Amino acid sequence: AQSVAQPEDQVNVAEGNPLTVKCTYSVSGNPYLFWYVQYPNRGLQFLLKYITGDNLVKGSYGFEAEFNKSQTSFHLKKPSALVSDSALYFCAVRTLPSNTGKLIFGQGTTLQVKP
Amino acid sequence: GAVVSQHPSRVICKSGTSVKIECRSLDFQATTMFWYRQFPKQSLMLMATSNEGSKATYEQGVEKDKFLINHASLTLSTLTVTSAHPEDSSFYICSAGDRAPSEAFFGQGTRLTVV
Repeated sequence: AQSVAQPEDQVNVAEGNPLTVKCTYSVSGNPYLFWYVQYPNRGLQFLLKYITGDNLVKGSYGFEAEFNKSQTSFHLKKPSALVSDSALYFCAVRTLPSNTGKLIFGQGTTLQVKP
Repeated sequence: GAVVSQHPSRVICKSGTSVKIECRSLDFQATTMFWYRQFPKQSLMLMATSNEGSKATYEQGVEKDKFLINHASLTLSTLTVTSAHPEDSSFYICSAGDRAPSEAFFGQGTRLTVV
């Protein structure tokens, strides 16, 4: 069965420091991986995706993620955190390459960036 | 990116009444839309896959007679919560994608409170 795990419920970082939000996955076949961010009482905003190609994927708002096939991981990173990055982050895997495939979400990680 | 609009953003209704939530793809056609439910500080739980012109596909444990889904056009899917009860209070989010392989785009979400 396809699954996604985000082992940390919350990540705390100081503004200006690098941040990492972890994600591991379990799929049969090629993974199609995504990161989304959610602000309170809002829908999800797309950050970045890995479909194929370079393992380092760059996305919106200075975020990037590294696909590591051997470790089945897709950790989200940012070199310098902002207070405005504080939000709920979801890693997701799509079951099919097409947009008709279901998205399976991780549990979510709350990122808290302190001034 | 593509825009998905969800309406209303908030609704309060009395127990026993029905509530309709609309999900529209504004600048693309969506043959498939997805409906999720989210509890506070938790992940998104897929409720059903809405297919244009045919019956929705419900996830295990979701009551199809309680959560009615209609996808009558390529730009509109509706979720009707029938005979709502306080335990149906939740955050409901829809999503759609416009190209494959593509990220999904999410509506703003609807906060339903049943009193």
